[in-house]
Amino acid sequence: AQSVTQLDSQVPVFEEAPVELRCNYSSSVSVYLFWYVQYPNQGLQLLLKYLSGSTLVKGINGFEAEFNKSQTSFHLRKPSVHISDTAEYFCAVSEPDSGNTPLVFGKGTRLSVIA
Amino acid sequence: DAGVIQSPRHEVTEMGQEVTLRCKPISGHDYLFWYRQTMMRGLELLIYFNNNVPIDDSGMPEDRFSAKMPNASFSTLKIQPSEPRDSAVYFCASSFSIYGYTFGSGTRLTVV
Repeated sequence: AQSVTQLDSQVPVFEEAPVELRCNYSSSVSVYLFWYVQYPNQGLQLLLKYLSGSTLVKGINGFEAEFNKSQTSFHLRKPSVHISDTAEYFCAVSEPDSGNTPLVFGKGTRLSVIA
Repeated sequence: DAGVIQSPRHEVTEMGQEVTLRCKPISGHDYLFWYRQTMMRGLELLIYFNNNVPIDDSGMPEDRFSAKMPNASFSTLKIQPSEPRDSAVYFCASSFSIYGYTFGSGTRLTVV
């Protein structure tokens, strides 16, 4: 069964600095990968997804992620963060060839942007 | 489109009382998911439906929890009797395919 590991539970970063949030997954078959963002007191919103094609995926708010099959990773990056990026970020995985199974979410990474 | 609508946004109840959480999915979506979020356990899938039929309820913690989807536009998650350890944020999400989740804003449940 697939699983997701988000290596950092909290990431503090100064405003306008770059950030990388790490995500590794465990699966032996093809995968679909997602990043969601949760702002305080809100539900999760889709940032970006990888289903197939280019391994570099661009999402909303200037975020991008790169699918690396050999390293089973899907790290999220932003070259310059803003205060408004402070939120919790969740990586999720699904195995499309295993039938219609729901997404499996990581435990989340709390990004704190410091002014 | 109003998105996934959950009610109430906040619920405070006493231990032993019945609690009912409600969800209206996006029209046309054929999947509906109930998740629970806590600091300790993160985001846990409780149950999900496809075309109003429960597909997997293995995440439902105990018999005190039950969920129904009587039609395509409404689902409930019921806890009876409630316990303090049920305190959490409960999210409903719907999807047209298994992957295109849209989450509601959640219900914050506090059991005292």
